[in-house]
Amino acid sequence: AQSVTQLGSHVSVSEGALVLLRCNYSSSVPPYLFWYVQYPNQGLQLLLKYTSAATLVKGINGFEAEFKKSETSFHLTKPSAHMRDAAEYFCAVSEAKGNNRLAFGKGNQVVVIP
Amino acid sequence: NAGVTQTPKFRVLKTGQSMTLLCAQDMNHEYMYWYRQDPGMGLRLIHYSVGEGTTAKGEVPDGYNVSRLKKQNFLLGLESAAPSQTSVYFCASSSGSSNQPQHFGDGTRLSIL
Repeated sequence: AQSVTQLGSHVSVSEGALVLLRCNYSSSVPPYLFWYVQYPNQGLQLLLKYTSAATLVKGINGFEAEFKKSETSFHLTKPSAHMRDAAEYFCAVSEAKGNNRLAFGKGNQVVVIP
Repeated sequence: NAGVTQTPKFRVLKTGQSMTLLCAQDMNHEYMYWYRQDPGMGLRLIHYSVGEGTTAKGEVPDGYNVSRLKKQNFLLGLESAAPSQTSVYFCASSSGSSNQPQHFGDGTRLSIL
């Protein structure tokens, strides 16, 4: 079964600084990987996804993530944090040719310091 | 441009009461899901459906029942609510292809006293 590890439940970053959220996955078959963002009192919104095409994936709001098979990682980055990036971020994995069930990490709550 | 709509948005129940949460999607998606979200736990799958008339258990199904009588609707029922079921519940839908994302509703905040 697939699983996801996100370390550090709360991440503080200064406005204008690099945002780096780490995601490591476990999957017995080639994975599809997703990053979702959740703003307060809202549902999850897709940021970006990896589906076996380019390993560097660009998403919305200036975020990008790189798939590294050798490291089983899919870390999320943004060069310069903005106040509006304060939210909770979830990494998720599904198995290719599976039933589209997602396994979610426990999330990173990002706080942006002015 | 509704997407996935959940009703109600908030509800307070007493222990032992029953209720049904409704999820509706207008994207003609085959697959639908119910999750619960608890602090520090991420999202955990309760039940899901791969098509009209089908349901299957997820990671944490105990205490919940579901029905998918129509393709666009997925109902989550609590027969006898318990305080441990206090949570935020999210419904999601997808086309069913593993490379396609799930689309989420805005959630239902449920408190069991």
